[in-house]
Amino acid sequence: KQEVTQIPAALSVPEGENLVLNCSFTDSAIYNLQWFRQDPGKGLTSLLLIQSSQREQTSGRLNASLDKSSGRSTLYIAASQPGDSATYLCAVKGGAQKLVFGQGTRLTINP
Amino acid sequence: GAGVSQSPRYKVAKRGQDVALRCDPISGHVSLFWYQQALGQGPEFLTYFQNEAQLDKSGLPSDRFFAERPEGSVSTLKIQRTQQEDSAVYLCASSPRGGSSYNEQFFGPGTRLTVL
Repeated sequence: KQEVTQIPAALSVPEGENLVLNCSFTDSAIYNLQWFRQDPGKGLTSLLLIQSSQREQTSGRLNASLDKSSGRSTLYIAASQPGDSATYLCAVKGGAQKLVFGQGTRLTINP
Repeated sequence: GAGVSQSPRYKVAKRGQDVALRCDPISGHVSLFWYQQALGQGPEFLTYFQNEAQLDKSGLPSDRFFAERPEGSVSTLKIQRTQQEDSAVYLCASSPRGGSSYNEQFFGPGTRLTVL
């Protein structure tokens, strides 16, 4: 059974810092991995999707990497801003169509 | 274009009541998913449709939970005889094609269900 773990559970940093969020998964037989952002009381906003054949994806100040063999992904956020404060979720898709999610990292950027 | 929409956004039910939650996927999307998100947790899979066919319902927690998508577009998640542990946010997602595991899923805003 696929299990996804995100570390840390919560993170608080000053504005302007670069930061890394971690995601690990137990079964390396995945098709893709998605990083989502969730604001309080809101749904999920997809940030980046990495297919299993890819090593990384970039969008603006965000960069996500995938090491399928070791079961790890990282989300790098450059020059953090208060508007980046949210919960970040990673999810993997295996042989079934469903996504398996981690519990999320709650990120706070302090002005 | 319009994204995934869900209604109602908030629902309060007394224990024992039946509830129905609606999902309107992105137009033309073949696949539709329901997830349940408890407070402080990541979403957990409930069920998956490809067009009108329910291909996976392994995540439904009990036979009180029932989902349908009769015409292959709008879907309804019904919970009978609600219990306090059913309190959660119910998220719907859709994906453009069926049968491909490489598709991205697009999520709606969710319905927050509170059972008193």
